[in-house]
Amino acid sequence: ETGVTQSPTHLIKTRGQQVTLRCSSQSGHNTVSWYQQALGQGPQFIFQYYREEENGRGNFPPRFSGLQFPNYSSELNVNALELDDSALYLCASSLGPNRGSDSPLHFGNGTRLTVT
Amino acid sequence: KQEVTQIPAALSVPEGENLVLNCSFTDSAIYNLQWFRQDPGKGLTSLLLIQSSQREQTSGRLNASLDKSSGRSTLYIAASQPGDSATYLCAVTRMDSSYKLIFGSGTRLLVRP
Repeated sequence: ETGVTQSPTHLIKTRGQQVTLRCSSQSGHNTVSWYQQALGQGPQFIFQYYREEENGRGNFPPRFSGLQFPNYSSELNVNALELDDSALYLCASSLGPNRGSDSPLHFGNGTRLTVT
Repeated sequence: KQEVTQIPAALSVPEGENLVLNCSFTDSAIYNLQWFRQDPGKGLTSLLLIQSSQREQTSGRLNASLDKSSGRSTLYIAASQPGDSATYLCAVTRMDSSYKLIFGSGTRLLVRP
């Protein structure tokens, strides 16, 4: 069973640039969620994709966007990068979108984004 | 708005001690509460999940309790080991937004040999 993989592991960008982060979900999982974790903080929910549609969104501006592909892999795109976007970006996959069920979230190791 | 608070923010104990990590949440309308472990620069590993109808869950040396009415959960670690050193995060799932987890800021634990 292949776990959740994210690429790249580290990335350095300049303010104003655009970035794309990638996530391959665990085998058999149809739902991907993205979280942003600033240093010393807990993860904050960005959005979730279920069967290629956005299924919920947190308090993030529209310059944060995403995609889910037919194989359930996903991308997170951030436009017009700001210094405060520097964080660890975590992808998590699950079987189904409902966190109230027993279907657990499986997290990847994240992408560390630094904006200078 | 659901807020999740974890106390203490950091904890250092000698090996072998039993310890308790605390988590509180402001809105009791939750489906469940989870405890996660995060090693430096890594993703999250789920430790225990407690449904709102349950009072506690146990896994090995870990025991998590939930008191939904008071908005509190504790994670008890017995006979701590240096390998337990990590950040421990709790997260709740609200009934009106079941697609996401709401996390606390975590407790950074150091177990000294």
